[in-house]
Amino acid sequence: SAVISQKPSRDICQRGTSLTIQCQVDSQVTMMFWYRQQPGQSLTLIATANQGSEATYESGFVIDKFPISRPNLTFSTLTVSNMSPEDSSIYLCSVQQSSGANVLTFGAGSRLTVL
Amino acid sequence: AQSVSQHNHHVILSEAASLELGCNYSYGGTVNLFWYVQYPGQHLQLLLKYFSGDPLVKGIKGFEAEFIKSKFSFNLRKPSVQWSDTAEYFCAVTRNTGTASKLTFGTGTRLQVTL
Repeated sequence: SAVISQKPSRDICQRGTSLTIQCQVDSQVTMMFWYRQQPGQSLTLIATANQGSEATYESGFVIDKFPISRPNLTFSTLTVSNMSPEDSSIYLCSVQQSSGANVLTFGAGSRLTVL
Repeated sequence: AQSVSQHNHHVILSEAASLELGCNYSYGGTVNLFWYVQYPGQHLQLLLKYFSGDPLVKGIKGFEAEFIKSKFSFNLRKPSVQWSDTAEYFCAVTRNTGTASKLTFGTGTRLQVTL
């Protein structure tokens, strides 16, 4: 299965700043997704990162807050903009495995703490 | 919209005890079902999946799950747990549309296995 590298693995940020998380995959993948896991909660899909076009956001998530780039089939970034303490979460990149539809591989996640 | 319920939030078992974690979903159509596991300090990994066919699915490390369509359930079982099974377990569902689709996760069950 694909190997996913996420950077940074963790960070502590100040309120009002923005942080960009990078997701690098060791092979070309069609589908890339960004999830959020808030403390004590489950994973929530933020958006589908589309190569060559704008990301598709889920209800409750907007591009101004979570801009996403997908310049090619192996790389994507998620920016968390104008952060507040409520944005403290683990952000995970995931990709669809080529071996079967609907089977996802996850990165290790980026743990953000906003003070 | 589909949803997933995991009734057990925290389970503590002694080694060699049997395990059953409940998972119920709300979508009435054809679904794909998954159990993911997250060991301490590690990323999410696929434990097992159900797409079609035999409703009793066997996964890695001796885990199995049974899909009962009439009960909208996909409970995870293991006859005899080990200390190394200590982890968080997530049930997930996606609609079977034949293409990559969005996973909806349950809130997770934290399993603690004591020696």
